[in-house]
Amino acid sequence: GENVEQHPSTLSVQEGDSAVIKCTYSDSASNYFPWYKQELGKRPQLIIDIRSNVGEKKDQRIAVTLNKTAKHFSLHITETQPEDSAVYFCAASAGGNQFYFGTGTSLTVIP
Amino acid sequence: KAGVTQTPRYLIKTRGQQVTLSCSPISGHRSVSWYQQTPGQGLQFLFEYFSETQRNKGNFPGRFSGRQFSNSRSEMNVSTLELGDSALYLCASSLGRTANYGYTFGSGTRLTVV
Repeated sequence: GENVEQHPSTLSVQEGDSAVIKCTYSDSASNYFPWYKQELGKRPQLIIDIRSNVGEKKDQRIAVTLNKTAKHFSLHITETQPEDSAVYFCAASAGGNQFYFGTGTSLTVIP
Repeated sequence: KAGVTQTPRYLIKTRGQQVTLSCSPISGHRSVSWYQQTPGQGLQFLFEYFSETQRNKGNFPGRFSGRQFSNSRSEMNVSTLELGDSALYLCASSLGRTANYGYTFGSGTRLTVV
């Protein structure tokens, strides 16, 4: 089955700096890659997603890039703010509703 | 519109007991998936139901089972509870069969087995 690896497991950045989280996947059939943000004690929420026919997608301060050849995708957060502090999960799907998640990155933005 | 509702929010059970968790999807959503979230393991897929049929099943023992009703509400059952079953159980609903429709999570049920 699919295996999604996520790095780093923890990340601390100064407010205003950029943060990058990287994921790799193993199944070339995967074609949908969402990113979720989970604040402490809350449910995971979708923040951005990308499909395999697109190389990059942006939404304000958040961007995701996908390299199908290398089987990796990354989340980029620019101009980080304290409210960006949370656990971020990447995931991969081959088109159905079964998602394979990475183990999460705990992001801390230091004011 | 109402989001994904999971009940109860918290449960404490004893080893060997069984437990049933409930998930009501967003109105109109026909797919419900269940995940187990534990520290260090992330979210692990349990199973997905679409129109009352189980479509996919993750790598969990047969003690974990589920079902979906005609109104799309889903229940998950864990029998003969073990200490290692302590986790946050999340369900997520989606409009259709594919990930193209997005995935909305509920707030989860925190199960503690003592």
